[in-house]
Amino acid sequence: AQSVTQPDIHITVSEGASLELRCNYSYGATPYLFWYVQSPGQGLQLLLKYFSGDTLVQGIKGFEAEFKRSQSSFNLRKPSVHWSDAAEYFCAVARSGGYQKVTFGTGTKLQVIP
Amino acid sequence: GAGVSQSPRYKVTKRGQDVTLRCDPISSHATLYWYQQALGQGPEFLTYFNYEAQPDKSGLPSDRFSAERPEGSISTLTIQRTEQRDSAMYRCASRQSRGDTGELFFGEGSRLTVL
Repeated sequence: AQSVTQPDIHITVSEGASLELRCNYSYGATPYLFWYVQSPGQGLQLLLKYFSGDTLVQGIKGFEAEFKRSQSSFNLRKPSVHWSDAAEYFCAVARSGGYQKVTFGTGTKLQVIP
Repeated sequence: GAGVSQSPRYKVTKRGQDVTLRCDPISSHATLYWYQQALGQGPEFLTYFNYEAQPDKSGLPSDRFSAERPEGSISTLTIQRTEQRDSAMYRCASRQSRGDTGELFFGEGSRLTVL
């Protein structure tokens, strides 16, 4: 069965500093991978996704993520964090092809300090 | 509609009562998902629909939970004989169709509190 692990429950970074949120997945074949962001009182919004091809994917709000098959990882990065990036971030995995179940990790809550 | 709409946004009920939550997906979207999100946790898959078919309901925690989407559009999630452990945010998401980008579009959720 597919699964996602986000080892960091809570991360605090200074505004302007770089950010990396970790995500490890478990799935037998090539997965579809996603990062979603959830701001307080809001629904989840897609930041970026990986289906195939270039393993470095660019998303909205200056985020990027790199798919590393050898490490079963899909870490999210941002070179310079803004205070408005404070939110909860969820990594998700789905089986490639067709309609399928999307499995989410437990999330990483990001706090940004001035 | 333009976005995924869920109602009610908040529901407080007493233990033992039945509750029905509603999801109105984006009108062109074939696939609809229900997730349960406890406080401080990620969304946990409950079930999904492909039009009116329900290929996977493996995430429904017990037979007290049921979902339907009779006309392939609006969906309801019903919890019978609610228990305190059912308190959570229930999120609905829809997805376009086969061959799409795979993005799920989420509603704002229905927060259920069982007293």
